[in-house]
Amino acid sequence: GAGVSQSPRYKVAKRGQDVALRCDPISGHVSLFWYQQALGQGPEFLTYFQNEAQLDKSGLPSDRFFAERPEGSVSTLKIQRTQQEDSAVYLCASSLDWGTGFSQHFGDGTRLSIL
Amino acid sequence: EDQVTQSPEALRLQEGESSSLNCSYTVSGLRGLFWYRQDPGKGPEFLFTLYSAGEEKEKERLKATLTKKESFLHITAPKPEDSATYLCAVQGEGKLIFGQGTELSVKP
Repeated sequence: GAGVSQSPRYKVAKRGQDVALRCDPISGHVSLFWYQQALGQGPEFLTYFQNEAQLDKSGLPSDRFFAERPEGSVSTLKIQRTQQEDSAVYLCASSLDWGTGFSQHFGDGTRLSIL
Repeated sequence: EDQVTQSPEALRLQEGESSSLNCSYTVSGLRGLFWYRQDPGKGPEFLFTLYSAGEEKEKERLKATLTKKESFLHITAPKPEDSATYLCAVQGEGKLIFGQGTELSVKP
């Protein structure tokens, strides 16, 4: 009965390094979302998957950000050539089926710090 | 452009002192308004979904209401364990748009 699981919980990287953040959604949830949350702000949408299809990536800030969900379950958010402004908490959420009105359930996030 | 504004940014209450949090929104074609609770170092925890003006939902000391332009989260006789950041979000045509949250602190 696990919830959404994210790893690692904390990640420190030097500017210019590539990072990969993992999300394990609730079993059976077909919809998966990534958000970026700056300190003191609400989450901001990055991208949305329905099964393995990436239906919306309009929130990705630049082409350095890439997300995938190849088998419709686990998802990875990759950030290439990290910059200091990428420092934030990255949240993953899943829903049984967002298109039919089921709510989103969040993981506890990965706190990314770029030095 | 879809937008959500929450007020106040921070609210300090004494235990038992009831109050309300506000969420004002503009969205083209509201499909749902969501309230979440977020504790420090944790992800948002789902509380309520409201779909149409006039709708109300309750859970323990919390009651959420919805009009065509805003939603209120009423907290009755709060306890210290209600201290958290409360987030409001709206769904228009697709994605969720979040407000910046209201940080609630309840002192014993």
